[in-house]
Amino acid sequence: GAGVSQSPSNKVTEKGKDVELRCDPISGHTALYWYRQSLGQGLEFLIYFQGNSAPDKSGLPSDRFSAERTGGSVSTLTIQRTQQEDSAVYLCASTGTGRRTGELFFGEGSRLTVL
Amino acid sequence: RKEVEQDPGPFNVPEGATVAFNCTYSNSASQSFFWYRQDCRKEPKLLMSVYSSGNEDGRFTAQLNRASQYISLLIRDSKLSDSATYLCVVNIPSRGKLIFGQGTELSVKP
Repeated sequence: GAGVSQSPSNKVTEKGKDVELRCDPISGHTALYWYRQSLGQGLEFLIYFQGNSAPDKSGLPSDRFSAERTGGSVSTLTIQRTQQEDSAVYLCASTGTGRRTGELFFGEGSRLTVL
Repeated sequence: RKEVEQDPGPFNVPEGATVAFNCTYSNSASQSFFWYRQDCRKEPKLLMSVYSSGNEDGRFTAQLNRASQYISLLIRDSKLSDSATYLCVVNIPSRGKLIFGQGTELSVKP
């Protein structure tokens, strides 16, 4: 499809396991964002990519969280040694350059549940 | 202080009512502004951009006040389908990222 694609859509894991979440942005979009949203809460910024580099990773909650982007396209968010407080919906969004910068296109999210 | 702050919710209004949301931002370098809508358990989607001169899209009117650093969203003749969370978003190019407010929940009742 032409939208932002995220996988898996749902992930249930046991505390202490590692998880990998994938985001495939809209083709040609140079900027890619990861946000986290806990139940009933607002969006929490995690990391932002421009191309393959991450000018701002200030939102990553701890060193258990890491993200990379390759080929200016697909991004992977990795959470090591998951904790119950990591349970949330992880949203990826992308945007292009130009006048409409700021119009973020979101994926449907990856819902992570840590037991 | 949060960089982007919104009216606390929830707003519970009857159908046909007019409702207004405010959002304040702290960084004077903010250059562009948006309202997003998020339905329950769905991803946010762009509702409208906010232009300096103010702009209208049907029942929705957005205003920007740079001097006071706030933006507003007015919804007229509210519909049941307007029930959602409305997110204020600010773009700060020097920060290279978009900042979201916490959102204001609107519930329109029959």
